[in-house]
Amino acid sequence: GDSVTQMEGPVTLSEEAFLTINCTYTATGYPSLFWYVQYPGEGLQLLLKATKADDKGSNKGFEATYRKETTSFHLEKGSVQVSDSAVYFCALRSSGAGSYQLTFGKGTKLSVIP
Amino acid sequence: GAGVSQSPSNKVTEKGKDVELRCDPISGHTALYWYRQSLGQGLEFLIYFQGNSAPDKSGLPSDRFSAERTGGSVSTLTIQRTQQEDSAVYLCASSLILAGVNEQFFGPGTRLTVL
Repeated sequence: GDSVTQMEGPVTLSEEAFLTINCTYTATGYPSLFWYVQYPGEGLQLLLKATKADDKGSNKGFEATYRKETTSFHLEKGSVQVSDSAVYFCALRSSGAGSYQLTFGKGTKLSVIP
Repeated sequence: GAGVSQSPSNKVTEKGKDVELRCDPISGHTALYWYRQSLGQGLEFLIYFQGNSAPDKSGLPSDRFSAERTGGSVSTLTIQRTQQEDSAVYLCASSLILAGVNEQFFGPGTRLTVL
């Protein structure tokens, strides 16, 4: 079945540091890929998405590129802020018929210190 | 308009009791999803609805779990004879339609604690 593996946390960075959170997936066909973010005390929010190979999703300074050859969708940000402290989830939605749910990774907790 | 809302926000119950969790999706969203977020298992999909119909119930963890949706809007997730392993945050999401890459909007969740 489909699965998503993302780097274990927690990750602690200083403000303005470079962020990478690795995400790889296993799925048949051509899934759509997502990054969701959960800020403290809030619900899950879509951060960015990519629907086909080589697509780059971007939002709020975060980027991720859909790499089919390496089955990866790593999240990056050039300069993190304290306000980026949250839990980040990589997810996929299969392209198979009848597959409408999201399959999530276990989440990576990011803490950014001033 | 308002986002997805869930009630109660917190529920503490005793082992063996039944609980009902409610989800109000975004108005006009035809698709609705239930997920469970627990420490050991991460985020797991439970069930989805297209309108009032749930074509695939295979994600529900046991026959103690059931869900319904009425009027194409509110959904209720019912857990009968709760067990301690049912303790988790239950998340509801909705999207405009089921097909295609439609963003799923999540509610704040219901934190269930089974003593």
